[in-house]
Amino acid sequence: GNSVTQMEGPVTLSEEAFLTINCTYTATGYPSLFWYVQYPGEGLQLLLKATKADDKGSNKGFEATYRKETTSFHLEKGSVQVSDSAVYFCALPRGAGGTSYGKLTFGQGTILTVHP
Amino acid sequence: EAGVTQFPSHSVIEKGQTVTLRCDPISGHDNLYWYRRVMGKEIKFLLHFVKESKQDESGMPNNRFLAERTGGTYSTLKVQPAELEDSGVYFCASSPFATGELFFGEGSRLTVL
Repeated sequence: GNSVTQMEGPVTLSEEAFLTINCTYTATGYPSLFWYVQYPGEGLQLLLKATKADDKGSNKGFEATYRKETTSFHLEKGSVQVSDSAVYFCALPRGAGGTSYGKLTFGQGTILTVHP
Repeated sequence: EAGVTQFPSHSVIEKGQTVTLRCDPISGHDNLYWYRRVMGKEIKFLLHFVKESKQDESGMPNNRFLAERTGGTYSTLKVQPAELEDSGVYFCASSPFATGELFFGEGSRLTVL
């Protein structure tokens, strides 16, 4: 099945710093890729996604580009805020084929803490 | 619209006891998933319901785990008997379509002593 390797962290930054969280994957074909975020006391929620190579997903100032040549989907934000403190998970479908959608393989999660 | 709700938020039981976790998905979502995160490791897929039918239960760790989804609405995950290694956070998620865009509950933390 598909797999994902995610930068573990934790990551601690000052407000307005640049953020990169690395994510690389191994997959059959070219599946959709996802970043989920879990804010304190909440469930995971979809942050952004990309459905094909060279697609850029973006949301809330975060971006990630689907790079098939490097099998990567790194998460970036130019200027983080205290409210971005959360756990970030990279994910992709467990296997090939449409029936795998919704059944995801997740990275280990990266804890981000942003200080004022 | 109410989100995915899970109950209990935290359960502490002794090894050998039984625990039942409940998940209420978003109304109208046919797809319901259970995931588990053990000791800060990656979140792992357990099983997938489409309405009341189990579509895939390949992630269930062993036969001590039993999941049901009554009438295609809420779902329960029973662990019987619980072992120490079952401790972790159990997440439920739902979606209207199997696209990978899941709506998660806050999770049920299980501690087995």
